[in-house]
Formats: sequence, structure tokens, C-alpha cells
Amino acid sequence: DGGITQSPKYLFRKEGQNVTLSCEQNLNHDAMYWYRQDPGQGLRLIYYSQIVNDFQKGDIAEGYSVSREKKESFPLTVTSAQKNPTAFYLCASTQRGSGNTIYFGEGSWLTVV
Amino acid sequence: GQQVMQIPQYQHVQEGEDFTTYCNSSTTLSNIQWYKQRPGGHPVFLIQLVKSGEVKKQKRLTFQFGEAKKNSSLHITATQTTDVGTYFCAGQRGNTPLVFGKGTRLSVIA
Repeated sequence: DGGITQSPKYLFRKEGQNVTLSCEQNLNHDAMYWYRQDPGQGLRLIYYSQIVNDFQKGDIAEGYSVSREKKESFPLTVTSAQKNPTAFYLCASTQRGSGNTIYFGEGSWLTVV
Repeated sequence: GQQVMQIPQYQHVQEGEDFTTYCNSSTTLSNIQWYKQRPGGHPVFLIQLVKSGEVKKQKRLTFQFGEAKKNSSLHITATQTTDVGTYFCAGQRGNTPLVFGKGTRLSVIA
């Protein structure tokens, strides 16, 4: 099956701990994205990568870090510096360029207690 | 930076009534896309509009792109319970990442 796989689907962490969310795609897409979704806030872009070994900050990058060592993988680390990390995190991918459809993973629910 | 405003934030309708959500960008767009997110799910692509004044239909759904390529609308005729979810518009300028509106959450009362 082609698609985007996010793991874990649900994650609980204690405040002050870093946590890494996994995102893997087998669609051969060049570009990958991480969005955060909070109630009533829509989708906010955290980081994106349009090519391997390169990534750019989105609108709310503070407290997050990413890497793009392989085309298929774009893990997101939520660091202890992120003030309100509890949210629904969505990974997505698309071909590079304009007018390409974004495909989303099923999301990861992160709860920090 | 580029902003995409979407209204209303919530809409409750009786089954069979029509529904419309509106999207407005602060800048001229290359294209606009619409996504639907079912409760508990992830956004799924519905359609893309590229041309000024473009109108596209998918069964009971009608999508429009404004003449100035800064606004768009999604209209659902005779809503059904299967239409429940949050509808997002997302605008793009050139090769920059899509910018999503905050979405309109549609509830349909049977």
C-alpha cells in the first residue's frame, strides 16, 4: 500500500521530556511537511522539507526540530522548549512545485502531562 | 506573510439544507485546494482550482475560485449526514507551502 505512515498514533510524555514522532512515506514524494492542529486553529506549519538534507522553518517552528536524511523519512522532535506541546500532529507529503496535492498521514496525538 | 481567512468557523444545518463556506486570501494565489477532515480523521484532498473564475462540481459540491484569485467558496446542496466534518481551504503562491484556513466545522442534524 502506498501512503504516509505516522507513529505512534497516541503518545503520552511527561513535561520536560523530548519526544520524536515518526513519519515515513513510500509515495516517492520530494516534499514533506509537519503540521500542528489545535481545536479552532486549523493547520499550522511547523517545518517543511523540499529535498533531502534540507528543511525550512514554518510558522511555528520554535520548540521543534526535524531532520531529512532520507527521502522517505521526516521525523519531528518535540523538545522540552515547546511551551504547549499537547496537540494533534500531522505529517504530509507532496511532489515539489506548485499545484500538487498534499497527502496526509493519519496523525499522532501527543499528550504531555 | 500570506494569510487565508475562512468563515464561518462553525455551521449547524438540518439535513437537506444547503451549506457554504468562504475562503479569502490576503494575496493573489496560484491555486486553491479544498480538503475535508472527518471527525477523528486526517484531511483528505477534495479538489484544486487554478484558473480565475473557475467553477468545479463534484456531485452535490460546487467549488468556485474568484476572478481575482483571492477568494473561493465551497457550496454543498442538500446536506447529508455523511457531509459532517471540517472543510479546509488552502492557498498556494508559486512553490511556497500551502497555507490553510482555520476550517469550517459542519454539523448536520438528521
